[in-house]
Amino acid sequence: GENVEQHPSTLSVQEGDSAVIKCTYSDSASNYFPWYKQELGKRPQLIIDIRSNVGEKKDQRIAVTLNKTAKHFSLHITETQPEDSAVYFCAASRTSGTYKYIFGTGTRLKVLA
Amino acid sequence: DTAVSQTPKYLVTQMGNDKSIKCEQNLGHDTMYWYKQDSKKFLKIMFSYNNKELIINETVPNRFSPKSPDKAHLNLHINSLELGDSAVYFCASSQSSTGREQYFGPGTRLTVT
Repeated sequence: GENVEQHPSTLSVQEGDSAVIKCTYSDSASNYFPWYKQELGKRPQLIIDIRSNVGEKKDQRIAVTLNKTAKHFSLHITETQPEDSAVYFCAASRTSGTYKYIFGTGTRLKVLA
Repeated sequence: DTAVSQTPKYLVTQMGNDKSIKCEQNLGHDTMYWYKQDSKKFLKIMFSYNNKELIINETVPNRFSPKSPDKAHLNLHINSLELGDSAVYFCASSQSSTGREQYFGPGTRLTVT
């Protein structure tokens, strides 16, 4: 069935360093890949997304890359800050039909001051 | 002007009871979802409605019954609650014409004792 693998499950970085989270999806028809950030006790919120016709997208300190051939996509956070500490989820979805997100298992990012 | 709201925020109940969680969105979206987030933070789709029609029905015990009285509301009724139902339940909504971002509600933390 459809599956999204996400690694690592936990990640600790020093403030100012970069963090990279990687995901692999199985459904080759997936064409939309959002990333959500969930702070402790809060709702998941979209931080960046990418469609399959684009290889890379940046928004300030956050970037996402997509390799559709390998079915890999990654989140890159540069110059990390303590407020970046949260659980990050990747997801893969089709943009037609049922719009079902298949979420990865989450990465707990800790930014150490 | 909350976008996606859920009630109640917390729900503590005993095994065997029946309970409901309500969700409302004021974004004008036509698609709504229920997700379950367990203690390991895994986010799993349960149901989705598009224009009041059930379009996603994952492998969920039939003790769980969603109801969508209109496009802006999606409720979740759970019969004969079990210990394993303890989790955070998130409602979300999106617009099918864009097939993109899902907006999440604040979550309902259900504890079954």
